[in-house]
Amino acid sequence: SAVISQKPSRDICQRGTSLTIQCQVDSQVTMMFWYRQQPGQSLTLIATANQGSEATYESGFVIDKFPISRPNLTFSTLTVSNMSPEDSSIYLCSVERRGADTQYFGPGTRLTVL
Amino acid sequence: AQKVTQAQTEISVVEKEDVTLDCVYETRDTTYYLFWYKQPPSGELVFLIRRNSFDEQNEISGRYSWNFQKSTSSFNFTITASQVVDSAVYFCALIEDSNYQLIWGAGTKLIIKP
Repeated sequence: SAVISQKPSRDICQRGTSLTIQCQVDSQVTMMFWYRQQPGQSLTLIATANQGSEATYESGFVIDKFPISRPNLTFSTLTVSNMSPEDSSIYLCSVERRGADTQYFGPGTRLTVL
Repeated sequence: AQKVTQAQTEISVVEKEDVTLDCVYETRDTTYYLFWYKQPPSGELVFLIRRNSFDEQNEISGRYSWNFQKSTSSFNFTITASQVVDSAVYFCALIEDSNYQLIWGAGTKLIIKP
């Protein structure tokens, strides 16, 4: 497994502002992912954070709204831009080492947009 | 297409009762992996188990056990002598060997009453 931390753990933001969420892993990992979990729902993959290149976004998610950085093999950020109340969710990062076929999750960031 | 079905939206039992959470999956791949994750009220996703498609042995870990049946495409999870701390949402998920993306069930909310 891996030790994964996320900052902030929760935040309350105003409509139209942006929030950057950080994900830090205690060791190098091949794959890092960002998920959204809307209230009472299952998880939806936003994108795969690729080290040294642009993230790969899933259908329905775009870079302008959810810019992602991954400067190295242990760190990634997700920005939720121009927020609206519909963005209120838990945002989770997960990691997977090559060949492990198991994703481990960070503690999540609980975002409320007013 | 891949699909994971958790038909039980919510289950409520009294402490010390046994409870089984159902998971049925669909895939055309012969190689795939099945997972169970626990999400307590804190929001963190906790990895419980991974099972690959070639290993149909049942698994027991303390009060937790898993029954993998390829004939019925099911991967059910049983908690024996349930405890209040088992209260959480439990997710079943699937990854096909050819695809990194986790396919999630809708989750089952388990409530253990004291």
